[in-house]
Amino acid sequence: ETGVTQTPRHLVMGMTNKKSLKCEQHLGHNAMYWYKQSAKKPLELMFVYSLEERVENNSVPSRFSPECPNSSHLFLHLHTLQPEDSALYLCASSHGSALNEQFFGPGTRLTVL
Amino acid sequence: GQNIDQPTEMTATEGAIVQINCTYQTSGFNGLFWYQQHAGEAPTFLSYNVLDGLEEKGRFSSFLSRSKGYSYLLLKELQMKDSASYLCAVRAGGGNKLTFGTGTQLKVEL
Repeated sequence: ETGVTQTPRHLVMGMTNKKSLKCEQHLGHNAMYWYKQSAKKPLELMFVYSLEERVENNSVPSRFSPECPNSSHLFLHLHTLQPEDSALYLCASSHGSALNEQFFGPGTRLTVL
Repeated sequence: GQNIDQPTEMTATEGAIVQINCTYQTSGFNGLFWYQQHAGEAPTFLSYNVLDGLEEKGRFSSFLSRSKGYSYLLLKELQMKDSASYLCAVRAGGGNKLTFGTGTQLKVEL
């Protein structure tokens, strides 16, 4: 595996379900990110982890819970979501330095019924 | 806060040149990125500007004017595969947090 991978690629869940999105980076980076991409809206930064510590939480509802067990893995735990949470969830990683670009995974297309 | 504006859609002809503009308002500007995103795929990095001027990379070039809060992405010798969404993103402050525009959907026609 190379680059940034995400599983599952597609997920359909009910509002009472609990599910988790997984992201793995194989680039030796030390910063990881969760973004939400909705139709006709800009990519929205949700969470930033640097050296496995959360350094940014962009006022995301508590029904989204991130977890970063090590520098290569990032999870987004989902529970009691709303239909408006349906979107493409993108993971990205970078070197911690501010001069480096972010590399994105292919995303998880989430549909909440 | 930050505000980033770019056109929603553009159409161009194969073999031609197209310029996609991006304007921004931010404090603590620390770099501007362009990403390309094909439908259903991950955004991929195209270019990075932090100083005024033009950065050229093959068929793609990106320009930045910090005093005007303005950037453009220039695509030459357009190919059908260039049909995609082009995302402008601004970094401000000391961290690596990016704020994205809504993206410009480029359609390349024969």
